[in-house]
Amino acid sequence: EVQLLESGGGLVQSGGSLRLSCVASGFIFDSYAINWVRQAPGRGLEWASSISYSGSNTFYSDSVKGRFTISRDNSKNTVYLQMNSLRAEDTAIYYCAKSFSWANYFDYWGQGTLVTVSS
Amino acid sequence: EIVLTQSPVTLSLSPGERATLSCRASQSVTSYLAWYQQKPGQAPRLLIHDASNRATGIPGRFSGSGSGTDFTLTISSLEPEDSAVYYCQQRGDWPLTFGGGTKVEIK
Repeated sequence: EVQLLESGGGLVQSGGSLRLSCVASGFIFDSYAINWVRQAPGRGLEWASSISYSGSNTFYSDSVKGRFTISRDNSKNTVYLQMNSLRAEDTAIYYCAKSFSWANYFDYWGQGTLVTVSS
Repeated sequence: EIVLTQSPVTLSLSPGERATLSCRASQSVTSYLAWYQQKPGQAPRLLIHDASNRATGIPGRFSGSGSGTDFTLTISSLEPEDSAVYYCQQRGDWPLTFGGGTKVEIK
């Protein structure tokens, strides 16, 4: 059974930092890209970042580029999202999601971790 | 950035009725479009990928169609458990983008 478990969310002041983790199981981790998708309270879905299966390619939305860094440790089946210079508009549930096959769709999702940035 | 516009914003229908949801892209995404279902308090679930392919375990009443800039998700006969918000998502170009969602309410 595929499982994705996020952690690391919490309350942080504007300008602060957090590191989210996503531990995966139930599939061949180093064969799939992993993504972070966020959802502000009461709002829609927003893609934030993706990392290729090997970690050699990373992608970011304009809203997080330069502030967030995605990385992965395939020996630990874990993806990280380092979030710096946090802003109130980064407040959201952050979901870790596995890419479907080789395509950038999201076929399995974690339960999400809430990040709240106070201004 | 490719903007996805979903309509209607809300759809209120009775069980057994047919639901038709639209997603329009600001430029062609060929067939690189997916649909997701999200229920309150839950993570989204992949329903359709590449415009018309049902994901594993998705009931046959869900179907997708379209290409280029115009796409449709059809629920042929609504069940009470289909009450949710539905999102489209494109992978035709970076950044990946989602539509704003359509809320389906069951009367």
